[in-house]
Amino acid sequence: RKEVEQDPGPFNVPEGATVAFNCTYSNSASQSFFWYRQDCRKEPKLLMSVYSSGNEDGRFTAQLNRASQYISLLIRDSKLSDSATYLCVVNRGSWGKLQFGAGTQVVVTP
Amino acid sequence: GAVVSQHPSRVICKSGTSVKIECRSLDFQATTMFWYRQFPKQSLMLMATSNEGSKATYEQGVEKDKFLINHASLTLSTLTVTSAHPEDSSFYICSASAMAGVANNEQFFGPGTRLTVL
Repeated sequence: RKEVEQDPGPFNVPEGATVAFNCTYSNSASQSFFWYRQDCRKEPKLLMSVYSSGNEDGRFTAQLNRASQYISLLIRDSKLSDSATYLCVVNRGSWGKLQFGAGTQVVVTP
Repeated sequence: GAVVSQHPSRVICKSGTSVKIECRSLDFQATTMFWYRQFPKQSLMLMATSNEGSKATYEQGVEKDKFLINHASLTLSTLTVTSAHPEDSSFYICSASAMAGVANNEQFFGPGTRLTVL
């Protein structure tokens, strides 16, 4: 079983719509959780950290469910520029090592 | 945010040659740098963790003699792919962290180096 699993998608989303997707992780000792965004053939960029109580950053909302070991990302009012691959990232608990999921592709269409 | 650069951004080489990739933190001192590899449609895989002035720690399955890592200063780490073969063709990305051993500390990623071995 992969340490971090994501639905690869693609999620095809009309502009202005809402899209949400999850990620599951296997290491119950994981402490920190993040969502990164990766555009085609570019490096990943931090979108937001995920806090235990859930958090929101503009149109993006992240939730953490420790009991079921999953995190989610919701994007409201999707923009064309939101088209990207969203990487679920979990810290491996030592020396800041990060475990990346393979990503969920989101395609926002006009 | 902090800036990390990588050089070269793209390299094409013949099988059997060695390729050196540089990772630099431009506006902060990076006590820890990480090297990742990403194959198409796959996740970033951590190859090794490099702390300034000490030997790199390699992940299971990564050959330390093939992927030589040097972290001689707080702003520069290098990855040398020795005797590269076509299966080493991949996207190599470094990241840098300003605080060693801090699990929650943010990592800043370089733009990546796309290696193609013919």
